[in-house]
Amino acid sequence: GAVVSQHPSWVICKSGTSVKIECRSLDFQATTMFWYRQFPKQSLMLMATSNEGSKATYEQGVEKDKFLINHASLTLSTLTVTSAHPEDSSFYICSAPGVSDEQYFGPGTRLTVT
Amino acid sequence: GESVGLHLPTLSVQEGDNSIINCAYSNSASDYFIWYKQESGKGPQFIIDIRSNMDKRQGQRVTVLLNKTVKHLSLQIAATQPGDSAVYFCAESFSGGYNKLIFGAGTRLAVHP
Repeated sequence: GAVVSQHPSWVICKSGTSVKIECRSLDFQATTMFWYRQFPKQSLMLMATSNEGSKATYEQGVEKDKFLINHASLTLSTLTVTSAHPEDSSFYICSAPGVSDEQYFGPGTRLTVT
Repeated sequence: GESVGLHLPTLSVQEGDNSIINCAYSNSASDYFIWYKQESGKGPQFIIDIRSNMDKRQGQRVTVLLNKTVKHLSLQIAATQPGDSAVYFCAESFSGGYNKLIFGAGTRLAVHP
């Protein structure tokens, strides 16, 4: 089946720095990818829709200047958390739709901001 | 039985019993529904899906039931195994999975030997 990877799988950064998370579709192309955030013991919350060749669409309440999304190619979307703070510590997950309606999820990236 | 944890309700079952996990969805326009299993520290794993033109769909050991009248979705797991222990989420979408998914709150399934 289709595979989506994320890199890194976990990252620790200092408060005020920026961190980039990559999402790749390994064996299929994705013009659209989705970014989710998940806090402990909570559900996945959609942050934004990443669109290849155009601007991302952000969900209400998500700061677009803080969470920069770039969909550089048909297999790569990146999420950059700028000026990270401890409250940004979370599990970030991406997904991409395959040929059918099914969406394929990445393994997630654990971000810890100290 | 069921209990409400800090954020996730928990369903505790004995190994070999059948499990039923429920979900209420929010958008009457949603026409595609999916159940995902998530193990600790991992991304969601697809279990089964159903479209709004169906009431029931069966997979291997799993069955999804859809009641559009009351906007309710359930996942039935037959002969629950310890490996089924995880958090289960329902998700809804409209116009197919290419549109964004909205996830439900989730239920933790704990299978005891």
